[in-house]
Amino acid sequence: KAGVTQTPRYLIKTRGQQVTLSCSPISGHRSVSWYQQTPGQGLQFLFEYFSETQRNKGNFPGRFSGRQFSNSRSEMNVSTLELGDSALYLCASSPGGGYGYTFGSGTRLTVV
Amino acid sequence: DAKTTQPNSMESNEEEPVHLPCNHSTISGTDYIHWYRQLPSQGPEYVIHGLTSNVNNRMASLAIAEDRKSSTLILHRATLRDAAVYYCILRDPRSQGNLIFGKGTKLSVKP
Repeated sequence: KAGVTQTPRYLIKTRGQQVTLSCSPISGHRSVSWYQQTPGQGLQFLFEYFSETQRNKGNFPGRFSGRQFSNSRSEMNVSTLELGDSALYLCASSPGGGYGYTFGSGTRLTVV
Repeated sequence: DAKTTQPNSMESNEEEPVHLPCNHSTISGTDYIHWYRQLPSQGPEYVIHGLTSNVNNRMASLAIAEDRKSSTLILHRATLRDAAVYYCILRDPRSQGNLIFGKGTKLSVKP
């Protein structure tokens, strides 16, 4: 079966712009989580969506937001980009029972 | 979720067994022990998980101490493709919480 698909793979944006990243989960998976990975902070949880509802949220500013559609696809948006937002953004899907998270390969965002 | 402690790095020779330790002295009775690994330029990949008994799958074995305060991920024959960062994570399935990643153990495999 197809894995978790994240688009785009690479992105370069200018400080102050906004960006939208997309994640298509494994078919049948209703939970989608987003993580930010940087060399300094490691993997940090952003938020999780389950059946179109945000179920958990990490400690990130309000500039980071997300949503999930009825087909379980998810998007995350970052507004007013800062240089420190440069990171690998990872999406993970799971059936929703707390097991079997499958990660995508991520979107590498560079803010200049 | 309780925290885990792992060595920052380990080295292994190709085709030899590797034992990756993880300490979790504050584990609760309902915490499962999960292991993920992250190969270079990829997202984390599920390896194995267990509660009390030792577990085996095609990728690895998980040995859990009797008091559950520590566990060991065992790669029976390391290959160059096993070079990755290995994360030991505790998670209570009832919490519906996210995975909390520590720094993990960076495993290097020498040919």
